[in-house]
Amino acid sequence: GNSVTQMEGPVTLSEEAFLTINCTYTATGYPSLFWYVQYPGEGLQLLLKATKADDKGSNKGFEATYRKETTSFHLEKGSVQVSDSAVYFCASMDTGRRALTFGSGTRLQVQP
Amino acid sequence: EAGVAQSPRYKIIEKRQSVAFWCNPISGHATLYWYQQILGQGPKLLIQFQNNGVVDDSQLPKDRFSAERLKGVDSTLKIQPAKLEDSAVYLCASSTGTAQETQYFGPGTRLLVL
Repeated sequence: GNSVTQMEGPVTLSEEAFLTINCTYTATGYPSLFWYVQYPGEGLQLLLKATKADDKGSNKGFEATYRKETTSFHLEKGSVQVSDSAVYFCASMDTGRRALTFGSGTRLQVQP
Repeated sequence: EAGVAQSPRYKIIEKRQSVAFWCNPISGHATLYWYQQILGQGPKLLIQFQNNGVVDDSQLPKDRFSAERLKGVDSTLKIQPAKLEDSAVYLCASSTGTAQETQYFGPGTRLLVL
């Protein structure tokens, strides 16, 4: 079945640092890819998504590009803020199944 | 627009007891999902409904877990009897049911089995 692997955390950065959280997937077809974020005490929220190869999802300064050749969907942000501290989940959705397969999550801590 | 509602937010029970969780999806959303999120892991799908029919329950431990979505709106997830390893956050999500749709998650119910 499908699976998603993302880098383990926690990732600790200083404010205004560059962020990369790696995510790779395995799938039999061409899934849609998502990044969800979970802020402290809140539910999962969609951050961005990409539905086909070479698509770039972006939101709130975060970006991720669907790379079919490397089966990756790495999350990046040029300058993180303290308010970005949260747990980030990479997920895939098989077109035939529609349920999400999640990675284990990466905790980001941004220090002022 | 109101989000996905879940109750209760927290529940503590002893092993072998029963427990039920309730979910009210976003109005008009045809698809409803229940996920289990064990501490330190990503959410794992338990069951998916399309309207009031089950689409996927392949990962639901059917000897102890059951779920229903009567009338295609609210849903209830039940565990009977609970085991220690059922301690987790139970997340409900809903979507419109169209291809590549976004799933909207509720706040979750945190279950602790002692």
